[in-house]
Amino acid sequence: DGGITQSPKYLFRKEGQNVTLSCEQNLNHDAMYWYRQDPGQGLRLIYYSQIVNDFQKGDIAEGYSVSREKKESFPLTVTSAQKNPTAFYLCASTSTGIFNSPLHFGNGTRLTVT
Amino acid sequence: GENVEQHPSTLSVQEGDSAVIKCTYSDSASNYFPWYKQELGKRPQLIIDIRSNVGEKKDQRIAVTLNKTAKHFSLHITETQPEDSAVYFCAASKQPGGYNKLIFGAGTRLAVHP
Repeated sequence: DGGITQSPKYLFRKEGQNVTLSCEQNLNHDAMYWYRQDPGQGLRLIYYSQIVNDFQKGDIAEGYSVSREKKESFPLTVTSAQKNPTAFYLCASTSTGIFNSPLHFGNGTRLTVT
Repeated sequence: GENVEQHPSTLSVQEGDSAVIKCTYSDSASNYFPWYKQELGKRPQLIIDIRSNVGEKKDQRIAVTLNKTAKHFSLHITETQPEDSAVYFCAASKQPGGYNKLIFGAGTRLAVHP
């Protein structure tokens, strides 16, 4: 189905390496978000972007970076500075009318760092 | 900042029984309360939401109630079916923050046994 595509589904990296997670959407949504999901915890916001070339830190931005060069794309880089990077990462998007549409999530990327 | 607590963390019911999941929030200015369902290995999906000017909302077997005075809201699932088995997340946010200020509960794993 159309919507948000995250790739890859599973990602393995060695400690100390940066890794970039892909997120692409074809919903023509202006706003995009990255969440982290850990067992027993809710989704926590890492970064969000409400318009191209602009993004803001969420609640747990340390050790992460993003870019928003195109409306359709919002890649997330997990840097070596992130102390506990192993997690399930979810990308989401919405239209910018605040409550015009719910969060549309991608299928997620499970990152394992050893 | 806003904090959302969700209970129980796990819930096991027999098919046909009702299930209730409760959430409390700390910020009295919160006025939007969505519920998401995440099946195993899949993306979270919005199942129902409620705004603070409404006390209850129903959609077939699912209902959400909101008590603004007590700052809690609940998800009610009647006549549960095995396909209701999933993790359910509540969330809260306040205008004009929108989705970038959405705070999630830790989730409830619901198991419906045939």
